[in-house]
Amino acid sequence: QKEVEQDPGPLSVPEGAIVSLNCTYSNSAFQYFMWYRQYSRKGPELLMYTYSSGNKEDGRFTAQVDKSSKYISLFIRDSQPSDSATYLCAVSSGSARQLTFGSGTQLTVLP
Amino acid sequence: DARVTQTPRDKVTEMGQEVTMRCQPILGHNTVFWYRQTMMQGLELLAYFRNRAPLDDSGMPKDRFSAEMPDATLATLKIQPSEPRDSAVYFCASAGGGKDEQFFGPGTRLTVL
Repeated sequence: QKEVEQDPGPLSVPEGAIVSLNCTYSNSAFQYFMWYRQYSRKGPELLMYTYSSGNKEDGRFTAQVDKSSKYISLFIRDSQPSDSATYLCAVSSGSARQLTFGSGTQLTVLP
Repeated sequence: DARVTQTPRDKVTEMGQEVTMRCQPILGHNTVFWYRQTMMQGLELLAYFRNRAPLDDSGMPKDRFSAEMPDATLATLKIQPSEPRDSAVYFCASAGGGKDEQFFGPGTRLTVL
């Protein structure tokens, strides 16, 4: 079993839809939780970062962490075609330490 | 505009050849990571350095892969000899300045024939 499991997708939604992306992890030692976005032929870029259970909002993006269930989510409101990318969840057991990534979910937002 | 740079962007080589990939971390960042991304395995950590010292290279096949930081502005990943199963995109990332965010480079797309 992988340490981080991510819904593989691919996911295709119409513009304006609410998107929900999810990951589960197995090791309770993971304390830091991130979402990265990766456009085709580019490196991943950090979208959201949190180290506590609960919600964190940044514009149209909301990251949710439930440590009791070992479940993390990313919600995208009012999705745009420019949101079309692969989204990777990542977890870490310590600050500035190595990340363990989910396999990624490819999202397409149709105009 | 601070960013991680990687060279070459694309590399096609034949099995058995030596491959060297280079990374320039963001100036002032003291932690450098090497990742490999494939369709089957996703993004995997190969090795990482802090203040130029290797901290963890357990994800790297030791018999053919080696990673070094000759100085604070250059990290290298070498494969010798290369094999077709090494075909992947190799990413370098750096972190520092008291922050946890890892900044990724554009990657080196390696194809071993």
